[in-house]
Amino acid sequence: GAGVSQSPSNKVTEKGKDVELRCDPISGHTALYWYRQRLGQGLEFLIYFQGNSAPDKSGLPSDRFSAERTGESVSTLTIQRTQQEDSAVYLCASSLAGGQYTQYFGPGTRLTVL
Amino acid sequence: GESVGLHLPTLSVQEGDNSIINCAYSNSASDYFIWYKQESGKGPQFIIDIRSNMDKRQGQRVTVLLNKTVKHLSLQIAATQPGDSAVYFCAENSGSARQLTFGSGTQLTVLP
Repeated sequence: GAGVSQSPSNKVTEKGKDVELRCDPISGHTALYWYRQRLGQGLEFLIYFQGNSAPDKSGLPSDRFSAERTGESVSTLTIQRTQQEDSAVYLCASSLAGGQYTQYFGPGTRLTVL
Repeated sequence: GESVGLHLPTLSVQEGDNSIINCAYSNSASDYFIWYKQESGKGPQFIIDIRSNMDKRQGQRVTVLLNKTVKHLSLQIAATQPGDSAVYFCAENSGSARQLTFGSGTQLTVLP
């Protein structure tokens, strides 16, 4: 079946602009995660959605970052007033439920802030 | 300019040899562990997982070993192939945390 998809695959933007990244999870997966991966590093947790519960935003690095998810479908991650340190690959993952269920990752969006 | 990432630990093995990739985890309360493989330009791909009530689990050509006493996890790949070249990450999940905590990764290079 279809895996997690993300768009765009690459995004180049100028410092100060807003960007919106999209994630389509695997159908039927109630949990959705966003992670950030800087060059040559591991993944940093950003935000977690589980069904209709309030999202866990504990990993968001600043108030310039926000995310939304409609029900158990598409999620968007928005970065306002982008900075050069926001340059990274943003990865989305989904799982059947939260906790100890395997997370399946999308291909990521590579964001470059000039 | 572009930031420079940390240098990943590297492991080079000859094709056909066995590989062992090690990982130390931090949270003694973690009870679920996963190994992911990440090829250049792609998202992490699930390889194998293990729960804390086990100390060994085998998959196809891969084995994960868990030593809770020293908080150590290892991934063994049998008969390593060129397609195994990638960065390998271990990740942990504690019962109270929903997100995964990832290690820094190991770059595996398979030599012909």
